Amino acid sequence: DIQMTQSPSAMSASVGDRVTITCRASQDINIYLAWFQQKPGKVPKRLISAASSLQSGVPSRFSGSGSGTVFTLTISSLQPEDFATYYCLQHNSYPPIYTFGQGTKLEIK
Amino acid sequence: ELQLVQSRAEVKKPGESLKISCKASGFSPGYNFKSYWIAWVRQMPGKGLEWMGVISPGDSETKYSLSFQGQVTISADKSISTAYLEWGSLKASDTALYYCAALGLMVGDTPDYWGQGTLVTVSS
Repeated sequence: DIQMTQSPSAMSASVGDRVTITCRASQDINIYLAWFQQKPGKVPKRLISAASSLQSGVPSRFSGSGSGTVFTLTISSLQPEDFATYYCLQHNSYPPIYTFGQGTKLEIK
Repeated sequence: ELQLVQSRAEVKKPGESLKISCKASGFSPGYNFKSYWIAWVRQMPGKGLEWMGVISPGDSETKYSLSFQGQVTISADKSISTAYLEWGSLKASDTALYYCAALGLMVGDTPDYWGQGTLVTVSS
């Protein structure tokens, strides 16, 4: 199975800050990296797939980049509703045995 | 839109067996249960998401992540558009929230549809 290493595991930031989360794959996954947001007690919500393709309805302050083994999720100006846990997911494998990163808990400073 | 409805929360004792379900409905025209892979995802209390395995209801092809191989069984009944996750002998460490999710059959498709989760508690 492909391993995904996400960093940091937790961080605190203020409203209006620019935040970057990184995900590294144990092997080349092309651009097949998705980002999910999960709030407490809620189902995960996909924000981005294929490294940089924003899901319909997701605010443009979210962006993704990368290819191969290193990927980033950037939130350009944090809003109160963005405080949540973020997970990367490699979606390169077929049959689809995918792998999540360990998660990044984004808290209010 | 595709909806996945999971079975209710369960409280079991160690050593007991359990089968939880995930029923799909709301297929768009031209799509049916066989148009998707169904994945199962575990979330232990206070922990992250873990991809357990998948099934293709069309041909019952099933694959497991290495960590879950031999620990659980994934199955599906396409006649009732329902996927299952089963344990033969539960352990306390199986206590978790389990999600099912649906993804398309194309390479690179993502899990875009999620069930509400089934909480499994294993305690003596």
